[in-house]
Order: sequence, then C-alpha cells, then structure tokens
Amino acid sequence: GQQVMQIPQYQHVQEGEDFTTYCNSSTTLSNIQWYKQRPGGHPVFLIQLVKSGEVKKQKRLTFQFGEAKKNSSLHITATQTTDVGTYFCAGEKDSNYQLIWGAGTKLIIKP
Amino acid sequence: KAGVTQTPRYLIKTRGQQVTLSCSPISGHRSVSWYQQTPGQGLQFLFEYFSETQRNKGNFPGRFSGRQFSNSRSEMNVSTLELGDSALYLCASSLLTDTQYFGPGTRLTVL
Repeated sequence: GQQVMQIPQYQHVQEGEDFTTYCNSSTTLSNIQWYKQRPGGHPVFLIQLVKSGEVKKQKRLTFQFGEAKKNSSLHITATQTTDVGTYFCAGEKDSNYQLIWGAGTKLIIKP
Repeated sequence: KAGVTQTPRYLIKTRGQQVTLSCSPISGHRSVSWYQQTPGQGLQFLFEYFSETQRNKGNFPGRFSGRQFSNSRSEMNVSTLELGDSALYLCASSLLTDTQYFGPGTRLTVL
C-alpha cells in the first residue's frame, strides 16, 4: 500500500548541532507537507513543497523535495531548545485527496 | 479567524461504552479529517469528510464512524470501547486538501 517512511524515529542532539529528518515515499507525490508538534500540543503546519527539486527556507529550517518527488528532507541548522518536538511529513498522492503521513521524528535536545 | 475547536477536551469512559467526539472546523473549510494518536504511534488516519461525504477512510474497524453536517461540523463515534482505544483524537480542517489546521484534540481514556 501507499507508505511514507520517515527516519530517524528519534534524534538526540546537543543544542547548537544540526538536525535532519528524511521522508521517502514508495510512489510519486503531488506535494509534501511538513508539520511540527510540540510536546503536549497538536501538529502545526510548517510548509508545503510542490515542485520537483524545490528547496524552501524558513530561517534555520531548510526543506527539500526530491527530483523524482518521492523523497523530502527537513534540515535544522544550529538547533535551539524551541525546536524540540516531533516533525511529521505528509505526502499527497495525485487525485485521491488523501495525505499519507510519516511516523514522525522526535527531536530531543540533550542538556 | 477562530481556529478548530474540539469538544470535549478530556473524556473518561469504561470498556463497552460508546463515545461521540465533536469537531468544529475553521469557518469556510469544507474538509475535516480525524486522526488517532497514541504514544510512539504517530498519526493514524481515521477518515476524511468533504461536503458531508466520506471521501477517504483509514484502516480502522467499523466501531469507528463519523459524519459531517451541512455546516461542516463533524462528529466521530466509537462504539463498544476497548482499552486500546485510549488515545488523543485529533481533527483537522482544510479548505480542500491543502494545509491541515489541527484542533487541540480530545484525550480519551478507556478504563
């Protein structure tokens, strides 16, 4: 069936280190969205990528959509304590209006 | 613009009972999706309603059902509750199938 694999499941970093999470789909996606869920909160939309090879930046966050529109990544430069949370990707496959969610990557900042 | 609201926020039920959760989407949004979230399990898609019609359905048993009213408000019902149904139930609204705006969730505990 349709799947979006997201890795890693957890990542522990020291504050100031970089963080990356990856999503891979078994099928071509029409677009991919990224969400952040803070501890105790609900997912909040970060960004949507639509074009093949697209790269978007939001301050320290860089989002990429692969050339084949099957994979995507989120990279955070110089993590801060405010970045703590779980990052989810969600891909939409053409024509069925359903988002396929990755399992999420939990970012943990080591004290 | 008011956000997505969900009621109740917390609920405690016993096995075998049934429960109804409510979601009011952002004004003008026609799509409402429901998700189940358990610790370490990510977001499990339940179903999506668009203009009162169920458009997509996840892999949940028939005990889980939903509906959407003409004002786009949606309800989710779980019959014959099981211990494993304890979870955070999130609803999300969107205009079509683009950005999903999540509500704060209903935390259901089944004893």
